[in-house]
Amino acid sequence: EDQVTQSPEALRLQEGESSSLNCSYTVSGLRGLFWYRQDPGKGPEFLFTLYSAGEEKEKERLKATLTKKESFLHITAPKPEDSATYLCAVQELATGFQKLVFGTGTRLLVSP
Amino acid sequence: GAGVSQSPSNKVTEKGKDVELRCDPISGHTALYWYRQSLGQGLEFLIYFQGNSAPDKSGLPSDRFSAERTGGSVSTLTIQRTQQEDSAVYLCASSFSGQGLSQTQYFGPGTRLLVL
Repeated sequence: EDQVTQSPEALRLQEGESSSLNCSYTVSGLRGLFWYRQDPGKGPEFLFTLYSAGEEKEKERLKATLTKKESFLHITAPKPEDSATYLCAVQELATGFQKLVFGTGTRLLVSP
Repeated sequence: GAGVSQSPSNKVTEKGKDVELRCDPISGHTALYWYRQSLGQGLEFLIYFQGNSAPDKSGLPSDRFSAERTGGSVSTLTIQRTQQEDSAVYLCASSFSGQGLSQTQYFGPGTRLLVL
C-alpha cells in the first residue's frame, strides 16, 4: 500500500523566516511526485512535478527537491500570501493509470 | 482558458437522500478523476475515466457511489441513500491523458457536501 507522510502537520513562520516542509513516501516505483497548494475553500493548485532523485524545481520563493524516499518544499523568505495548505502526492509506476495518492498536508501560516 | 468547473459548490441534504455532483473538465482533457477530501484526511481517490473506456472504480467506498461520463466530457458522481459519513468535499480533476508519461492533474473548486 502506498504511503505518503507529510511533516510537520502545521507550521507557523514569521515573514522572512525560511523553512522546509517534508514529504516522505513509500512506493514500489515512482512515476512522479507532485506538490500542490490549497487555499481554504478552494481546490488544490498545481505547483511542481518531480520525477527522479536529485531533481529540483523552483518557482518564486518555493523550491522543491526529491530524493529516493522523500521530497522537500523549501520556502525562502515567505510572505503572508504564502499561507496555505501544501499537499504532496505520488503516482506509482505499477498503477496502470495515474491516480494520485496524497498526504494529509502541511498547514502553513506566515505572520507579518 | 477555463479550468475545471464543478457544481453545485455546496450541497446540504438529509440522510437517505440521493445527490448528484457534476464536473466539467478542461476542454481537450481525456482523463477525469474524482477524489474525496474528508476533514483531517488527505484526498482519497474514488474513480478514474479515460476517454470513452470503462472507468476504474477501485476507489469507490461502497455500491452507493457511482459515476458516469457522457461523451467523454462532463461527469456526474451520484451518491445514493446518503449517510453522514459521506459529508466531505468532492473534488474533480482532469489531465490531458491518464496514461503514458506522468500528466499534471488540474483540480476544480470542489463540491462541499453536508449530510444532516
